Amino acid sequence: KQEVTQIPAALSVPEGENLVLNCSFTDSAIYNLQWFRQDPGKGLTSLLLIQSSQREQTSGRLNASLDKSSGRSTLYIAASQPGDSATYLCAVLIQGAQKLVFGQGTRLTINP
Amino acid sequence: ETGVTQSPTHLIKTRGQQVTLRCSSQSGHNTVSWYQQALGQGPQFIFQYYREEENGRGNFPPRFSGLQFPNYSSELNVNALELDDSALYLCASSLVGATYGYTFGSGTRLTVV
Repeated sequence: KQEVTQIPAALSVPEGENLVLNCSFTDSAIYNLQWFRQDPGKGLTSLLLIQSSQREQTSGRLNASLDKSSGRSTLYIAASQPGDSATYLCAVLIQGAQKLVFGQGTRLTINP
Repeated sequence: ETGVTQSPTHLIKTRGQQVTLRCSSQSGHNTVSWYQQALGQGPQFIFQYYREEENGRGNFPPRFSGLQFPNYSSELNVNALELDDSALYLCASSLVGATYGYTFGSGTRLTVV
């Protein structure tokens, strides 16, 4: 059974810092991995999608890496801003299955 | 290109009642999935529909059912509501195989009292 863990559960940093969010998964037989952002009480906004054959993806100040063999992904946020405050969720799509398996998220607070 | 839209935004129901939630897929997408997100938790997969048939189901009882229509829109029906059904219900659409990932809607907040 695929399990996804995100560490830390919550993180509070001052504005301007670079930070790393971690995601680990137990079964390396994944099709792809997707990082999402969720603002309080809202839906999910897709940030980055990494296919199982890729090592990383970049979008603006965000960079996501994937190490399938070790079951890990990281989301790097450069030069953090108060507007980055949200919950960040990673999810893996299992090969041969039709569902995303999510971690519980990291609640990020950027202090001005 | 329109995104995924869900209705209603919020809903309050009484235990034992039935509820229907609606979702319109992103243009060009042909599969629809539903997820339940309890407060402080990650979303949990309920089921997926493709070609108007259920194409995968999570660990949810049969009182959770769904439909997909020819225009790829979808409904989630929950019968005999329980207090634990209170959650944010998220709809996601994709192309079959999800090569390009999933697009989620803004969700419906269901409160069962």
